[in-house]
Amino acid sequence: EIVLTQSPGTLSLSPGERATLSCRASQSVSRSYVAWYQQKPGQAPRLLIFGASSRATGIPDRFSGSGSGTDFTLTISRLEPEDFAMYYCQQYGSSLPYTFGQGTKLEIK
Amino acid sequence: QLQLQESGPGLVKPSETLSLICTVSGGSISSSDYYWGWIRQSPGKGLEWIGSSYYSGSTFYNPFLKSRVTISVDTSKNQFSLRLSSVTAADTAVYYCVRHGSVGATKAADYWGQGTLVTVSS
Repeated sequence: EIVLTQSPGTLSLSPGERATLSCRASQSVSRSYVAWYQQKPGQAPRLLIFGASSRATGIPDRFSGSGSGTDFTLTISRLEPEDFAMYYCQQYGSSLPYTFGQGTKLEIK
Repeated sequence: QLQLQESGPGLVKPSETLSLICTVSGGSISSSDYYWGWIRQSPGKGLEWIGSSYYSGSTFYNPFLKSRVTISVDTSKNQFSLRLSSVTAADTAVYYCVRHGSVGATKAADYWGQGTLVTVSS
């Protein structure tokens, strides 16, 4: 099983600032099949990024993903008030099971 | 707009079988472009992928749950279902039904149901 470790656990920033979230895999993720999801309280997760760097339909361009191998990053260029939420990475490469990171909480400073 | 809606008992007794149904509206479950799956979320284990099924019945499961899981598709009703046998308190979670692509990078879950809480308790 590929274990995903997200850091930091909590990130405290202000609106307008840049957020950088990290996801490290215990082994290489094939073809960079990594996704990022945003989850707000009481809601289902929402797909933001797939294939490490492709934005899902309707996702603003302030969200971007990068990385390969074992290290992946989600960047939010300028935080809007609605961006404060939990963020999860997921790997869905050739190694089953698909797994998720434990999450990063992005909170208002 | 595609919508997924979970339904089923909110309380299941230990050792019994958890059964949930996901009803898909606004799109066909028989599309060759997608798989239909289940993901659960609990405070203790976070998000956990359970397994997925193609409209044809082809399935793949989380190896750690495989012996207890069955996912099946009913194309006539545009529904798919989850059965998890021999449940324990560790299976208490919010269960989500999801759609994900069938090839390559599209296999991320792009549509989710609202989730349903299932508690395992006597």
